[in-house]
Amino acid sequence: GAVVSQHPSRVICKSGTSVKIECRSLDFQATTMFWYRQFPKQSLMLMATSNEGSKATYEQGVEKDKFLINHASLTLSTLTVASAHPEDSSFYICSAKGWEAPNYGYTFGSGTRLTVV
Amino acid sequence: AQSVTQLGSHVSVSEGALVLLRCNYSSSVPPYLFWYVQYPNQGLQLLLKYTSAATLVKGINGFEAEFKKSETSFHLTKPSAHMSDAAEYFCAVSDSPFGNEKLTFGTGTRLTIIP
Repeated sequence: GAVVSQHPSRVICKSGTSVKIECRSLDFQATTMFWYRQFPKQSLMLMATSNEGSKATYEQGVEKDKFLINHASLTLSTLTVASAHPEDSSFYICSAKGWEAPNYGYTFGSGTRLTVV
Repeated sequence: AQSVTQLGSHVSVSEGALVLLRCNYSSSVPPYLFWYVQYPNQGLQLLLKYTSAATLVKGINGFEAEFKKSETSFHLTKPSAHMSDAAEYFCAVSDSPFGNEKLTFGTGTRLTIIP
């Protein structure tokens, strides 16, 4: 089945630094990548949707200058949290969709736990 | 706009007992409904999905769900709980049968299994 590899699984950074999270589709081409944020004991909130080669579409209230999404290839999408602050601490999950595997629907990465100190 | 409501943020059942996790949906178009499971610090795994075919959907790990249009419900059940079922469960709705458009998630239900 379709697999999405997400790295790192856990990262701790100092306030003011930037953090990059990568999601790679291992056995299919991810034409669309969805990035979610999940606060403790809460549901997943869609942050943005990106199509390969295009600018990401951000959900209302999500700062595009803080959460930079790059989807330059069909197998790699990155989320960069710019100048991270403690309130950015959260669990970030990517999800990919690809044309070759439409029946797979969403394939989720394993998530990244970001802690900003 | 589509939405799902999960009743009960926390459900506890004894090992071997019936598991029932509730989900009600609201949609202006025929909905496509999904149940996902999340283990701690992990991503989401698809349990099952309803795509307007059979109303009783069977998924992995012995779970099943029944789509009831009259009740706007899509409750998740399992006849006999296992310790490994302890996890967070999310109901989700989409306007695509493949779940490859925007998914709207419920707030989740944490399932605890009592030995």
